[in-house]
Amino acid sequence: LAKTTQPISMDSYEGQEVNITCSHNNIATNDYITWYQQFPSQGPRFIIQGYKTKVTNEVASLFIPADRKSSTLSLPRVSLSDTAVYYCLIKGAGGYNKLIFGAGTRLAVHP
Amino acid sequence: NAGVMQNPRHLVRRRGQEARLRCSPMKGHSHVYWYRQLPEEGLKFMVYLQKENIIDESGMPKERFSAEFPKEGPSILRIQQVVRGDSAAYFCASSPEGAEETQYFGPGTRLLVL
Repeated sequence: LAKTTQPISMDSYEGQEVNITCSHNNIATNDYITWYQQFPSQGPRFIIQGYKTKVTNEVASLFIPADRKSSTLSLPRVSLSDTAVYYCLIKGAGGYNKLIFGAGTRLAVHP
Repeated sequence: NAGVMQNPRHLVRRRGQEARLRCSPMKGHSHVYWYRQLPEEGLKFMVYLQKENIIDESGMPKERFSAEFPKEGPSILRIQQVVRGDSAAYFCASSPEGAEETQYFGPGTRLLVL
């Protein structure tokens, strides 16, 4: 079962770049790495997904080294509205696509 | 293009009553997932359904909980004889055929058992 480890919390300031790293030592060959964002009292929102190397969209970048045992979510120039919990997920074992959520990383962006 | 819809958004029940939570997936999505989230914790997978089929219910408690996704209409998560420990946020997610690793979540139903 692919387990993820990420920092419990992080603090940043407006305008800074934030990098959240997730460890997933026993990721399977066919698994994708997915990041979700969750605001209080809302459902998680898909941010980005990747398999290897680098993926970039309008919200974030995802860096995945060759061994795929970790990944880093990069949020450029964060604002106060980026304060949320960020979850790193690996597709669950068993092939039935259940997402395994850890405790996530609570990012607090300060003015 | 409406997202995943859940209702009610808030539900209050007394111990022993039944709770029925509804989820309408995004248009064109045939896969539905239910998750439960306790305060200050991550989401916990409960069940994965396709139309008229339960694919994976490994996260469902053995008693009192059931789920369905009929051919017509929303998916229903049903909790019989609720207890205080059932108080949580219940989230539904959906995904399209062929892209099951990308799940889109609804706003959740917050169940409070008095």
